[in-house]
Amino acid sequence: GAVVSQHPSRVICKSGTSVKIECRSLDFQATTMFWYRQFPKQSLMLMATSNEGSKATYEQGVEKDKFLINHASLTLSTLTVTSAHPEDSSFYICSAKPHLEQYFGPGTRLTVT
Amino acid sequence: LAKTTQPISMDSYEGQEVNITCSHNNIATNDYITWYQQFPSQGPRFIIQGYKTKVTNEVASLFIPADRKSSTLSLPRVSLSDTAVYYCLVGAGDDKIIFGKGTRLHILP
Repeated sequence: GAVVSQHPSRVICKSGTSVKIECRSLDFQATTMFWYRQFPKQSLMLMATSNEGSKATYEQGVEKDKFLINHASLTLSTLTVTSAHPEDSSFYICSAKPHLEQYFGPGTRLTVT
Repeated sequence: LAKTTQPISMDSYEGQEVNITCSHNNIATNDYITWYQQFPSQGPRFIIQGYKTKVTNEVASLFIPADRKSSTLSLPRVSLSDTAVYYCLVGAGDDKIIFGKGTRLHILP
């Protein structure tokens, strides 16, 4: 199956700093990628749809100025959490769909201290 | 976007067959049904996908009745390593995928 990677797998940052998470499609091109957030014992919550060459589409309630998404190439989308706070600590997962099925990255555990 | 409903949790024993049913009453004509498995601190993993009737692969079977308003994921002879959360998703093409709450499957020895 298709492979989606994320980097880093874990990151710890101080409150008020920004952190960037990369999502790559390794063996296919993805004009669209999706970013999810997952809190412990909860389901995945869609944050935004990342579109190559254009602005991301954010879900209701997700602050676009706080969660900056850049989809600069057909294989890379980045999510930058700006001015992070402890409540942003979560598991962030990206995905892409080369065909009908969606493939997910391994996730990035963000801890804000 | 079709909403899905699954049991919150299920328990079973090693070696048993497990069936998890998902209801999706508002499924659209061009929607496919896809099941994912998620272990803690990992991204969801694709299990199986279908449109109608029955689909089988090396890990599971998917049964979809004619009206497509529900589907059943069947896991044959489960083991402890099948303990995970299972999500039923419905969508088509480049549709964004909205996750339901999933089913937390716990396999007992």
